[in-house]
Amino acid sequence: QVQLVESGGGVVQPGGSLRLSCATSGFTFNNYGMHWVRQAPGKGLEWVALIRSDGNIKYYADSVKGRFTISRDNSNNTLYLQMNSLRREDTAVYYCAKERYISGSYMDVWGKGTTVTVSS
Amino acid sequence: DIQMTQSPSSVSASVGDRVTITCRASQGVSSSLAWYQQKPGKAPKLLIYVASTLQSGVPSRFRGSGSGTDFTLTISSLQPEDFATYYCQQANSFPWTFGQGTKVEIK
Repeated sequence: QVQLVESGGGVVQPGGSLRLSCATSGFTFNNYGMHWVRQAPGKGLEWVALIRSDGNIKYYADSVKGRFTISRDNSNNTLYLQMNSLRREDTAVYYCAKERYISGSYMDVWGKGTTVTVSS
Repeated sequence: DIQMTQSPSSVSASVGDRVTITCRASQGVSSSLAWYQQKPGKAPKLLIYVASTLQSGVPSRFRGSGSGTDFTLTISSLQPEDFATYYCQQANSFPWTFGQGTKVEIK
């Protein structure tokens, strides 16, 4: 079955960096776009970034543009999110999600999430 | 950016009740709308996409409708496992945006 497993979360000081990973299995990774979505404590869902299947097209939310970089390794079926210049407001659970594109971009399978805490 | 507004923010209901949640987009998104269910401490789960298409494995008591700017999620007969928070998401254009969520609570 399709599985997504995030890792790399932790506690980091403001201004610091973290790299999240999302290991995937059960589907042909290089055929699908992949999203990152986050959820701050007690808050709703916020889309963060999308990378298309070949890795050449990327989209970012304004809140992370210039600080976060989405990438993928299609040979290892893994998605990444490099997070630099972290701010307290980046504290959240970060989910990776597989894209289903049918007349629009949906998130049809989600990982369990990894927690990022930005605090001094 | 397209703003998604859900109502109500929360609803109290009993097992067997019919529950309706609405989602309004600040501009038309055609039928490119999804509904997700999230239980506490768990990842969201896709229920419905393209406004009314049920994701595989989702019970038929969940129904989505609407197009353009106004959408509805209806749970025809609420079951104990349906108590959760529900989010709409517009899938039409970048940046993809979610509603603020509707919490369905036990009455």
